[in-house]
Amino acid sequence: EAGVVQSPRYKIIEKKQPVAFWCNPISGHNTLYWYRQNLGQGPELLIRYENEEAVDDSQLPKDRFSAERLKGVDSTLKIQPAELGDSAVYLCASRSLVNEQFFGPGTRLTVL
Amino acid sequence: AQKITQTQPGMFVQEKEAVTLDCTYDTSDQSYGLFWYKQPSSGEMIFLIYQGSYDEQNATEGRYSLNFQKARKSANLVISASQLGDSAMYFCAMSWSGGSYIPTFGRGTSLIVHP
Repeated sequence: EAGVVQSPRYKIIEKKQPVAFWCNPISGHNTLYWYRQNLGQGPELLIRYENEEAVDDSQLPKDRFSAERLKGVDSTLKIQPAELGDSAVYLCASRSLVNEQFFGPGTRLTVL
Repeated sequence: AQKITQTQPGMFVQEKEAVTLDCTYDTSDQSYGLFWYKQPSSGEMIFLIYQGSYDEQNATEGRYSLNFQKARKSANLVISASQLGDSAMYFCAMSWSGGSYIPTFGRGTSLIVHP
């Protein structure tokens, strides 16, 4: 069984540029999460999807961040425009029916 | 408010010895789950072990076991027979019914296994 897939693995952009991350969860997992992990800290939730519905996005900076999961499967997280402080690892995870959460390899974003 | 605390920023252990990584939590919910993840330098978060609040037995997965002490609100991870490949960051996390089972993570413990 394939795990959570994320791309790209690394991204370097200049500030004010847009960037997008893609995630494909484990097949059959209805719940999808996007996390941001700053250096030396644990992941912090940005947004949670149940199928195609965003049910918890209170931590998502909506002025510059957006996310979508149109068909309830794969998801895209976008930042526009990126700021220096957005440099972090962006992790996608999906949850099984027995409440186990599986993470993708993450996208390491560097904003110059 | 729910909270996860990992008090050990770094731990060292000799290869083949056992090591315990501490985790305490705070919640008023009766239904919750506790997780441990390993994050090597490559960055991926690897699921290790899960303990439900109603599970009476401590969870075990191979060399990993979770020492669940509900009254003390602790969920320590025990790694037996440490290997060099166990060197990584280890995160404790908790999800609970009142929080829609969204995991909250501790700050992590860096484990270094030396030969």
